[in-house]
Amino acid sequence: ETGVTQTPRHLVMGMTNKKSLKCEQHLGHNAMYWYKQSAKKPLELMFVYSLEERVENNSVPSRFSPECPNSSHLFLHLHTLQPEDSALYLCASSQDLRGREGRDTQYFGPGTRLTVL
Amino acid sequence: ILNVEQSPQSLHVQEGDSTNFTCSFPSSNFYALHWYRWETAKSPEALFVMTLNGDEKKKGRISATLNTKEGYSYLYIKGSQPEDSATYLCASIKHGSSNTGKLIFGQGTTLQVKP
Repeated sequence: ETGVTQTPRHLVMGMTNKKSLKCEQHLGHNAMYWYKQSAKKPLELMFVYSLEERVENNSVPSRFSPECPNSSHLFLHLHTLQPEDSALYLCASSQDLRGREGRDTQYFGPGTRLTVL
Repeated sequence: ILNVEQSPQSLHVQEGDSTNFTCSFPSSNFYALHWYRWETAKSPEALFVMTLNGDEKKKGRISATLNTKEGYSYLYIKGSQPEDSATYLCASIKHGSSNTGKLIFGQGTTLQVKP
């Protein structure tokens, strides 16, 4: 166990549905991340939050809407997705961002396997 | 654009064999290199964070080296066991993004160890 949990583990949704992915970290970290892994592609960063403030939005379409209500929870709200959005969505957390020059380990959850019909 | 490349894409070895694979990354403005181990249906697990040229880190039978001047890192597994079967990912911090934690991942090397 990495201390990062994600729910649900599997999700099937239609293109007109609205759903949310949830991530919770029990590590006392200040930074949280959403990643996407499409088939046969590398893990790709979507969003970064530091102390509940979004610090990175990696050109993600607006049909993906992140929310970080506190440093322990991160959501990804999904609406009007396309079949090509089917992928594994991973959440991660790390201790901090600034002053660490990329040295902090990121701890990942097990992911949500999303299928858009 | 920062590209991280891993080779080979997949590897099949017999139990007891030692193996190694490569991660290549742009050497300019290097900040850190991360190695992860990812078993199917589980969370990616951090192995090493490497920052200094010439650095060598070890965890059990797994070790890694880093050459920041030429932009590569090797991961070695000594005496592979079936439980080492996983995908091994490397990731580097994007130029100019050391304060956003923006890791750029390679596609991974999938290792299969046969008993």
